Amino acid sequence: DAGITQSPRHKVTETGTPVTLRCHQTENHRYMYWYRQDPGHGLRLIHYSYGVKDTDKGEVSDGYSVSRSKTEDFLLTLESATSSQTSVYFCAISESRTGDNSPLHFGNGTRLTVT
Amino acid sequence: AQSVTQLDSQVPVFEEAPVELRCNYSSSVSVYLFWYVQYPNQGLQLLLKYLSGSTLVESINGFEAEFNKSQTSFHLRKPSVHISDTAEYFCAVIEKGGYQKVTFGTGTKLQVIP
Repeated sequence: DAGITQSPRHKVTETGTPVTLRCHQTENHRYMYWYRQDPGHGLRLIHYSYGVKDTDKGEVSDGYSVSRSKTEDFLLTLESATSSQTSVYFCAISESRTGDNSPLHFGNGTRLTVT
Repeated sequence: AQSVTQLDSQVPVFEEAPVELRCNYSSSVSVYLFWYVQYPNQGLQLLLKYLSGSTLVESINGFEAEFNKSQTSFHLRKPSVHISDTAEYFCAVIEKGGYQKVTFGTGTKLQVIP
């Protein structure tokens, strides 16, 4: 168990409403990630963080923002949810400190439905 | 930029038969390679990884993968599958010096038939 908790596990929301997903880790790792998983697309990186207040965009960042004010928490916000953002969202952490050869550890996901 | 191709979206195989799940990658620099497995309603779990050294890597549950640099492939194999191997398998790549940005393939669903 990599000590990753995602909340909520399930959420249904309406188009146009803001939504925030939370990822909490107990491992004190530097790198944290948000991915979305959709059939036929695998996992696609939304945003990632390499330290407190240090974040960068992934390949599908439009419509999403993130914040990391503490090492243990990485928040993903959908400013105005759209139906295309219906997906399963996974948070992941990496054990890497300075290198790039550490595998990711994943949370159990948040299933978001935008109606 | 790196990319990963898993051409087979679904692979049905009878129990105790061998299986190969294909993965090809594209990158202009050296890479690290991974296979992850996802069981229903769960996150991904690391199955095995290639970082350096021997090009053949093995997992604890009988899977193996071979890194072939000339063919830019990292195919996953198992000589005899079990029902419990039914899951979705994802190949992933990190470019060396890539700041931990992992790129995943689209996944292959392995269905083991009794």
